[in-house]
Amino acid sequence: GQQLNQSPQSMFIQEGEDVSMNCTSSSIFNTWLWYKQDPGEGPVLLIALYKAGELTSNGRLTAQFGITRKDSFLNISASIPSDVGIYFCAGQFTGAGNMLTFGGGTRLMVKP
Amino acid sequence: DSGVTQTPKHLITATGQRVTLRCSPRSGDLSVYWYQQSLDQGLQFLIQYYNGEERAKGNILERFSAQQFPDLHSELNLSSLELGDSALYFCASSGPSGEGTQYFGPGTRLTVL
Repeated sequence: GQQLNQSPQSMFIQEGEDVSMNCTSSSIFNTWLWYKQDPGEGPVLLIALYKAGELTSNGRLTAQFGITRKDSFLNISASIPSDVGIYFCAGQFTGAGNMLTFGGGTRLMVKP
Repeated sequence: DSGVTQTPKHLITATGQRVTLRCSPRSGDLSVYWYQQSLDQGLQFLIQYYNGEERAKGNILERFSAQQFPDLHSELNLSSLELGDSALYFCASSGPSGEGTQYFGPGTRLTVL
């Protein structure tokens, strides 16, 4: 099935470092979302973006909806150990069933 | 806690068997979505129901079916199970319009032996 291209696939960083990950698609979306998944749990919504060019923050997290509507990035500043997990981008085109198309995920590991 | 509940948490069964996964959406949500997460395919949309009616279908096998009941809970039925059906199955729900942000349940881990 279709997936978004998410990179990097994994990152191993030092506590306190900033993190950046991004997602690209060949299709346009009218909503981009970023989820975090901990082992054995369901994805938890971090940030939702509804407008091309929109830049939104949630604490140490900042995400942007690309101008072309085909990409998005997520930045995490000053990482802490509890940031460990898998981060997924998801694109949504409302009006076409509202389903989410997910990226392959970025596994983040943080060394204290 | 997203407010979406799923049972059971774990399910172990044999090839050829049939299982039913259950999901209760958040209070007030009318839409339920089912997703499959496997190592090789990632998170894939299976099917959406809105207020009891099927609204959208994704990569759902013919051996799989779902329904949404009048109380809005949903069941995903998987039959003639194969080893490759082993995966995490997530349910998500969204608000009364049938659109908007989707909130995920904790998932059911299915292991087919």
